[in-house]
Amino acid sequence: QVKLLQSGAALVKPGASVKMSCKASGYTFTDYWVSWVKQSHGKSLEWIGEIYPNSGATNFNEKFKGKATLTVDKSTSTAYMELSRLTSEDSAIYYCTRVRGRSSYIYHYWGQGVMVTVSS
Amino acid sequence: DIQMTQSPSLLSASVGDRVTLNCKASQNIYKNLAWYQQKLGEAPKLLIYNANSLQTGIPSRFSGSGSGTDFTLTISSLQPEDVATYFCQQYYSGSTFGAGTKLELK
Repeated sequence: QVKLLQSGAALVKPGASVKMSCKASGYTFTDYWVSWVKQSHGKSLEWIGEIYPNSGATNFNEKFKGKATLTVDKSTSTAYMELSRLTSEDSAIYYCTRVRGRSSYIYHYWGQGVMVTVSS
Repeated sequence: DIQMTQSPSLLSASVGDRVTLNCKASQNIYKNLAWYQQKLGEAPKLLIYNANSLQTGIPSRFSGSGSGTDFTLTISSLQPEDVATYFCQQYYSGSTFGAGTKLELK
């Protein structure tokens, strides 16, 4: 069965960066886009961006350009997201997702989420 | 950007009730709409896609309808396990979510 296992919670200082991982299993990693979604405390969901593991192609929500960097390691079926120049606005839960079809924004499978807290 | 507006923001209903949640897009998104259920402390779960297609494994009491700008998620007979927040999402142009409807038991 498809699983997305994300790294653990992170406490980081303002101005620093954080890199989180999303290890995929149960399907061919290179065949499906992986998207990242932000959920601020008690609030709604925001699409950050997506990466196609086969080619490394990426697309981003304009709001997160320059903030998020997406990469993959095909050898370990792991997707990564790095967030830079962190502020309190970046404190949130971050989910990786796998889309339903080969090219869609329908988020079928979700990781368990990574809670990022930005605090000095 | 396409904005998604959900109503109501909070809904209280009793077990067995027929429940209707609404979602309105700021422009025509045809049927490019999904619904997700998020229970407390969990990741969202896909319920409906393409406005009215039930994801495999989701109980048939859930149904979706609508096209263009107005959409509805209906639960035909509310069960205790349906207590959650429900989000709609458009994927016609990029991807944006509504603010959610929190469904609680009366």
